[in-house]
Amino acid sequence: SQQGEEDPQALSIQEGENATMNCSYKTSINNLQWYRQNSGRGLVHLILIRSNEREKHSGRLRVTLDTSKKSSSLLITASRAADTASYFCATDGGATNKLIFGTGTLLAVQP
Amino acid sequence: AAGVIQSPRHLIKEKRETATLKCYPIPRHDTVYWYQQGPGQDPQFLISFYEKMQSDKGSIPDRFSAQQFSDYHSELNMSSLELGDSALYFCASSLFGSVAQHFGDGTRLSIL
Repeated sequence: SQQGEEDPQALSIQEGENATMNCSYKTSINNLQWYRQNSGRGLVHLILIRSNEREKHSGRLRVTLDTSKKSSSLLITASRAADTASYFCATDGGATNKLIFGTGTLLAVQP
Repeated sequence: AAGVIQSPRHLIKEKRETATLKCYPIPRHDTVYWYQQGPGQDPQFLISFYEKMQSDKGSIPDRFSAQQFSDYHSELNMSSLELGDSALYFCASSLFGSVAQHFGDGTRLSIL
């Protein structure tokens, strides 16, 4: 990956449990974003955290950012079967806002 | 709300053929990005346009070219297709200065 690693690469949990995915990146960033991708579909923007922020919440999503470690985590609370998808982090450190994606975590939520 | 429209959704070509993928951004969005996602891979940035001018270039082969037209739609032209070009090709659009990109559902290109 151009970006770095995401871990775990695959995660299987039961409905109602929390899911945590981690992402590391290599370069300095302006923002870090998380996207979701259902199988064979486009990427859907979930949440953005700016480089000067440490934590952000949106509904059942919680994102943290540690710029000293160049890492971020995405927590999905009270997971649902409909949360089953691949989750990617992406950074945009350039002037043109092109996205550099991590390798993604495949989340399976069992009903 | 209108989303990014890509066509075709699926395309099957043979080696050495050409292909043209189209992208229609969200109305009033002036920036278009193209990404390539191989099987089981993360999306890789190819090229972007702002106001019909190329704004950035990534790992796009010389066999590929793209442009953005006066109505802001964009086309990705691919020639001398190779087996390794089989992938999902995504287009995303945004308003200049906005970091959140809106993705289409992609074109799945299969090379036989």
